[in-house]
Amino acid sequence: ETGVTQSPTHLIKTRGQQVTLRCSSQSGHNTVSWYQQALGQGPQFIFQYYREEENGRGNFPPRFSGLQFPNYSSELNVNALELDDSALYLCASSFDRLNSPLHFGNGTRLTVT
Amino acid sequence: GDSVTQMEGPVTLSEEAFLTINCTYTATGYPSLFWYVQYPGEGLQLLLKATKADDKGSNKGFEATYRKETTSFHLEKGSVQVSDSAVYFCALVSQGGSEKLVFGKGTKLTVNP
Repeated sequence: ETGVTQSPTHLIKTRGQQVTLRCSSQSGHNTVSWYQQALGQGPQFIFQYYREEENGRGNFPPRFSGLQFPNYSSELNVNALELDDSALYLCASSFDRLNSPLHFGNGTRLTVT
Repeated sequence: GDSVTQMEGPVTLSEEAFLTINCTYTATGYPSLFWYVQYPGEGLQLLLKATKADDKGSNKGFEATYRKETTSFHLEKGSVQVSDSAVYFCALVSQGGSEKLVFGKGTKLTVNP
C-alpha cells in the first residue's frame, strides 16, 4: 500500500503571497490532519478533516485553511504569508478520526522570505 | 491546556550505552501517550504507545511505562545503536473531540560508534 505523500517537498515564497500544499492520504484512510513544525520545535496541530468536513482546529488564524476531497486527499492553504510561517508542514492520515494511529508524510519545507 | 515537557537535548551517547529520555505531561483526564521518532529528512513514525495507567509500550528495544502518579512516560533503551540517531518526540492525545496530538519539543539523540 502507498503511504502518505506530500507535495512539493520544498517551497520558497515571499511575504504576503499565498501557498497551497498538497497531501495524498494512505489508501483506505478517511481522516487527515495537518501539523506545523517550526525549526527545533515539536509539531503543532493546525486542523483535522474527516470525510470532507473540518473536525477540530488548533490555535491558528483563519488565513490557514484547508480542504479534503472525495478521494480523501487534502490541501492546506495559507494566505498573506508571514516570515513566521516558515516551517515544515506535516500531513498525517488515519483510518478513522478516533483511536486510529496517524501515518505521517515526509512534509513540505516552506521558506518565507 | 494540555502540554508535554521533554528533557532538553541534544543527547550524545556511545554505541551500546543505556538511553533514558524523560517526558512528563499535563492533561485533564487520562490521555493516551506516544513516542514518535523522526529520522533526518523524514516525517514522524510512531515508535510506541500506551493508552492507560501502568501500560508499557515497547518496540525495537525501546520501552516506556505510563505512570499516572508521576504523570510521566520516560523512554528507555538498554543498548543504543548508531541507527537510533534521530529526534524523539513525546506526545499525548486528549480524550474527546478530534484526535489532536500535543507534542513535546523533541530530543535529538546522536549515537557514536
